[in-house]
Amino acid sequence: KAGVTQTPRYLIKTRGQQVTLSCSPISGHRSVSWYQQTPGQGLQFLFEYFSETQRNKGNFPGRFSGRQFSNSRSEMNVSTLELGDSALYLCASSLSGTGILSTEAFFGQGTRLTVV
Amino acid sequence: AQSVTQLGSHVSVSEGALVLLRCNYSSSVPPYLFWYVQYPNQGLQLLLKYTSAATLVKGINGFEAEFKKSETSFHLTKPSAHMSDAAEYFCAVSGPNTGNQFYFGTGTSLTVIP
Repeated sequence: KAGVTQTPRYLIKTRGQQVTLSCSPISGHRSVSWYQQTPGQGLQFLFEYFSETQRNKGNFPGRFSGRQFSNSRSEMNVSTLELGDSALYLCASSLSGTGILSTEAFFGQGTRLTVV
Repeated sequence: AQSVTQLGSHVSVSEGALVLLRCNYSSSVPPYLFWYVQYPNQGLQLLLKYTSAATLVKGINGFEAEFKKSETSFHLTKPSAHMSDAAEYFCAVSGPNTGNQFYFGTGTSLTVIP
């Protein structure tokens, strides 16, 4: 059974540019969450999508957005990149929407974004 | 509101010694609690989870954790450290009404000394 796949693994972008990250969840999983990991702030929740709808959102500016497709694959977009956006972005997939089984999250290897 | 506090950002143990990583949580509802491990340049791997069943939870690689409601703690232990246990460990909390939103601690870096 394939795990969570995030592409690309590494990205270097310039301030002001925009970037799109992709996450393919485990087959059959309908929930995809995104997290930003930095040395200073640790792991911070960005947002969660379930059945193509954003269900939860963390405290990030509107420059951070996402979407989910009918096949559960998700993309995250960051516009007008800032140096502080440099981080490891992790995607997590979960089976369903409710109950304890849904909260067992499987993480991808992440996308390392560097903004210069 | 839910939150997690991990005491000790760095822990060093000798190979073969007891591993104890501390986690205290705050939750207004019965929590779901998790321990994840992260190796360099990798994602997070689930070690174990507390689901309101048994308070002593056994996970992979010989790790276990005990849920103590009176102390609001969920400390991670392993009787005998192995070199391969060197990694970053994260405690996380979620709840029945938070969907799949996890609140993570700041992590504890475990060093195993040969």
